[in-house]
Amino acid sequence: DTEVTQTPKHLVMGMTNKKSLKCEQHMGHRAMYWYKQKAKKPPELMFVYSYEKLSINESVPSRFSPECPNSSLLNLHLHALQPEDSALYLCASSLLGLTGRRHNEQFFGPGTRLTVL
Amino acid sequence: AQTVTQSQPEMSVQEAETVTLSCTYDTSENNYYLFWYKQPPSRQMILVIRQEAYKQQNATENRFSVNFQKAAKSFSLKISDSQLGDTAMYFCAFRPQEYGNKLVFGAGTILRVKS
Repeated sequence: DTEVTQTPKHLVMGMTNKKSLKCEQHMGHRAMYWYKQKAKKPPELMFVYSYEKLSINESVPSRFSPECPNSSLLNLHLHALQPEDSALYLCASSLLGLTGRRHNEQFFGPGTRLTVL
Repeated sequence: AQTVTQSQPEMSVQEAETVTLSCTYDTSENNYYLFWYKQPPSRQMILVIRQEAYKQQNATENRFSVNFQKAAKSFSLKISDSQLGDTAMYFCAFRPQEYGNKLVFGAGTILRVKS
């Protein structure tokens, strides 16, 4: 299994709603990532989990709350979002290892298209 | 801080022709990895090709090859025999060798293959 899956594919929510995005991989990767991507722009890193622990938070507003319940799952909880948060949210995963000559390329999921009304 | 520059926002190529996408980067690291990712209009980002900085030989994957010039900090992607399915946004990305470090993406190049 060489896939990263994300659900839902599309999500429309109001500014007062609470919703969650889900990401799953079964490649044995111990690093998982959340990115936000606006149209025709590169992905912007939001969070990195290493061995199920949050290792990087790129100063993301608290209305985004990540969670890594186990080594295969990554969630992004959304609450009180703003219209400018509308974007494609990408999940990715990669191997983690000792420093050395490891490729560690990231495998991306298809994304969740989020619209905040 | 590392930066990645893709100077061509958009490019077009005729089917079956060859096209080269440019990428330059800035880093003080000696060991690192470089990647080209492709994101078609369906939005799934996939890895096209990767290059380890310690390898002098340019990476090749079927119709895709790179011209890696470490001294010049240049990493261009050549697509031979372009196909309609190559139409996509292409991102050049940099990652230092140490694990846990994030990818640094360029701004991207939109490539359109015309029939």
